[in-house]
Parts: sequence; structure tokens; C-alpha cells
Amino acid sequence: QKEVEQNSGPLSVPEGAIASLNCTYSDRGSQSFFWYRQYSGKSPELIMSIYSNGDKEDGRFTAQLNKASQYVSLLIRDSQPSDSATYLCAVQKVSDYKLSFGAGTTVTVRA
Amino acid sequence: EAGVTQFPSHSVIEKGQTVTLRCDPISGHDNLYWYRRVMGKEIKFLLHFVKESKQDESGMPNNRFLAERTGGTYSTLKVQPAELEDSGVYFCASSQPGERADTQYFGPGTRLTVL
Repeated sequence: QKEVEQNSGPLSVPEGAIASLNCTYSDRGSQSFFWYRQYSGKSPELIMSIYSNGDKEDGRFTAQLNKASQYVSLLIRDSQPSDSATYLCAVQKVSDYKLSFGAGTTVTVRA
Repeated sequence: EAGVTQFPSHSVIEKGQTVTLRCDPISGHDNLYWYRRVMGKEIKFLLHFVKESKQDESGMPNNRFLAERTGGTYSTLKVQPAELEDSGVYFCASSQPGERADTQYFGPGTRLTVL
């Protein structure tokens, strides 16, 4: 079983729609959860972090965490063509600092 | 403020040769990480420095990989001798731990191709 799994995609959404990305993790000792956005050939860019159960909103992005279900998601509202990228879910345990990544979900926003 | 920088951006070498990758973290960041993404797989942790000390090198594949961080500033990752399976993108990240978590900022990566 992989430590972090993401819906494989690719995900294609029309401009203005909501893009929904899902991530599950296997280690209940995980404490911190991150979403990175990566454009082709560029560095992963941190867009959201979440540590407590519930929702966290930042602009058009909303992260949701459910530790009981070992599930974290990212919603992108009013999707724009500039949101077209690969989104990486990363999980960090309380016992160490290293990040465990999912394989990523590629999102394409159609104009 | 400058982000994490890596050099070179691309490297193509032949099997058996040596390659050295360099990472310059964000100024003032004590934590420095190396990660690797091989084709079709997820990004995987290699090792973690705190200043000049290796905190965790559990992800290093084998003894052909040597990482250093002299003086606690930039870091190098040497692969000697390189094998075909070492091809991939090598990312460096840095952080300064906060109260809740260690938020890591990534460089653009070095794409290594071993022929």
C-alpha cells in the first residue's frame, strides 16, 4: 500500500468550474498536510497547508482534512486556465520532517 | 528574497561517470532536503540536513550517493558511479521549522539523464 495516494487523473474541467482533488494516506501518525502545485519543468510551489480537521480556505482554494478517514482534499473554485498544472499531495509525520508525496493529479482547465 | 536554487538544471552523463548536483537553500534556512522523482513515480525523500549535520539519510538508495553540506549553507549531492536507474529529477528543498510543521520550499530540480 502506498503511503499517499491521489486520484490519478488527468482531470479536465471547464473554466469557472470547481476542480476537486482527493488524497488518502496510510499512516495515522501523519500530522501535517500540504498541497503543492507544479507547472511543467518548474519547482513544486506550496499552495495550501492544513493541520486540523475541517476546512481551510485561501482565496479560490479550500483544503479539507478528515483524520478519521485519513483523507485530505483540495477544491479549486472558479478554475482558471492558469490553474492547469500537476497538484501534489504531501504528508508529514509527527516523528520526522520528511514529506511523503502522492504521484500527483494533472489538472487541465479548458477555456 | 531568493528561493531555493539548483545547479545544473540538466545533466546528461554516461553510465559509470560521476555527477555532482548543487543546491543553495533559502538564506537562513537550517533544514535542507534532497528528494528524487524517477519517471512515472512519486517524489521520494533522500535525506535531511540540519545545518551541516545529516539528520536522516534513510532514503539514500545506496553508497554511490554522497551528500554534503559543508558550513551549513549550500549542499552537494554526488553520484559516483552513475547507473541507468539514477535518472530522474533531483529536487532540493529548505525550511525553517515553525510551531506547527516544517514547511518546505522547493527548488526547480536538476534533471539527470544517465545513458
